[in-house]
Amino acid sequence: GAVVSQHPSWVICKSGTSVKIECRSLDFQATTMFWYRQFPKQSLMLMATSNEGSKATYEQGVEKDKFLINHASLTLSTLTVTSAHPEDSSFYICSARDREVKLFFGSGTQLSVL
Amino acid sequence: AQSVAQPEDQVNVAEGNPLTVKCTYSVSGNPYLFWYVQYPNRGLQFLLKYITGDNLVKGSYGFEAEFNKSQTSFHLKKPSALVSDSALYFCAVSYQAGTALIFGKGTTLSVSS
Repeated sequence: GAVVSQHPSWVICKSGTSVKIECRSLDFQATTMFWYRQFPKQSLMLMATSNEGSKATYEQGVEKDKFLINHASLTLSTLTVTSAHPEDSSFYICSARDREVKLFFGSGTQLSVL
Repeated sequence: AQSVAQPEDQVNVAEGNPLTVKCTYSVSGNPYLFWYVQYPNRGLQFLLKYITGDNLVKGSYGFEAEFNKSQTSFHLKKPSALVSDSALYFCAVSYQAGTALIFGKGTTLSVSS
């Protein structure tokens, strides 16, 4: 089946630094990528939707200047958490949609900001 | 607005017994309904989905779910629980194929031996 590779799976960084999370569709073209955030013991909250070659659409309350999303190709989308702070510590998951409008999830990235 | 409710934070069952994880939804139009399972520090694994057709949907690992339009429910079921089924289960809905999913808050399933 279709595979979405997300890495790193775990990252620890110092407060104030930036972290980039990559999401790749390995055997299909992802026309749309969704980025979710999950706090401990809570549900997944949609952060933004990105279409290849277009600017991402952010959900209300999500700072676009803090969470930079790039979807430059049909197989790669990146989420960069800029100037990370401890409150940004969370589990981030990407989801890719193929041309048949099926959704596939990455394995997630646990971000810990010290 | 679309929403999903999972009324139980936790479900406890003994191994070998049937299990049910509840989900109700609110969406305008015809819903697309999904169940996912998440193991600790892992991403989501797809279990099953309902788009149209037969109300009883069979999925991975022996799970099934029944779409009930009148009750706006999509409960996840399994006839005989395994200890390895212990995980966090999410119900999700979208109103259009391929759009972002709206997730319920999740239900922790604990199966005891």
